[in-house]
Amino acid sequence: AQSVAQPEDQVNVAEGNPLTVKCTYSVSGNPYLFWYVQYPNRGLQFLLKYITGDNLVKGSYGFEAEFNKSQTSFHLKKPSALVSDSALYFCAVRDRSNYQLIWGAGTKLIIKP
Amino acid sequence: ETGVTQTPRHLVMGMTNKKSLKCEQHLGHNAMYWYKQSAKKPLELMFVYSLEERVENNSVPSRFSPECPNSSHLFLHLHTLQPEDSALYLCASSQELAGGYTGELFFGEGSRLTVL
Repeated sequence: AQSVAQPEDQVNVAEGNPLTVKCTYSVSGNPYLFWYVQYPNRGLQFLLKYITGDNLVKGSYGFEAEFNKSQTSFHLKKPSALVSDSALYFCAVRDRSNYQLIWGAGTKLIIKP
Repeated sequence: ETGVTQTPRHLVMGMTNKKSLKCEQHLGHNAMYWYKQSAKKPLELMFVYSLEERVENNSVPSRFSPECPNSSHLFLHLHTLQPEDSALYLCASSQELAGGYTGELFFGEGSRLTVL
């Protein structure tokens, strides 16, 4: 079965330190890969996507993600965390053959001052 | 106006009520979605209207019924719901291209539903 795993329910990082939020997937072929962020009491916002090309994708708010085909991973990264980055982060993967976006369960990112 | 607008933001209903959630997108997109978000679970796709075709998740109970009168408006009609249906219901839109490429989803703020 196709799936997306975000192995950490919560990630705690000190402000100014680099952060990584992990995502691995089990989807056939060459899927599209996405990261979304959800701030409290808000809907989800698109951060970045990988369709094809360079494995390092840059997105909004200084975030980037690295696609690793051999490890089927798409980890989200930021060189220097801000307290305002504290939110819920979702990884999503889409099989190119259908409409279904397969979502991870989300990772709560807490940035401490 | 914001891209995707959902109303109401909060709804409390009894199990015998009938209510509807409304979604409107101002982005000119050709696909609209209903998702259910429950705590610590992946988002659950309920319904998609895309390129004039409706796609649904077969596990969604019939007490949820979607309506998409045009490409900008989407409704979710609710009837005889159960307490376990309490969740955040998110509407989203995207621009789908022929050949299968999808743009990213743009979400509304959500409708928080509580079923008593």
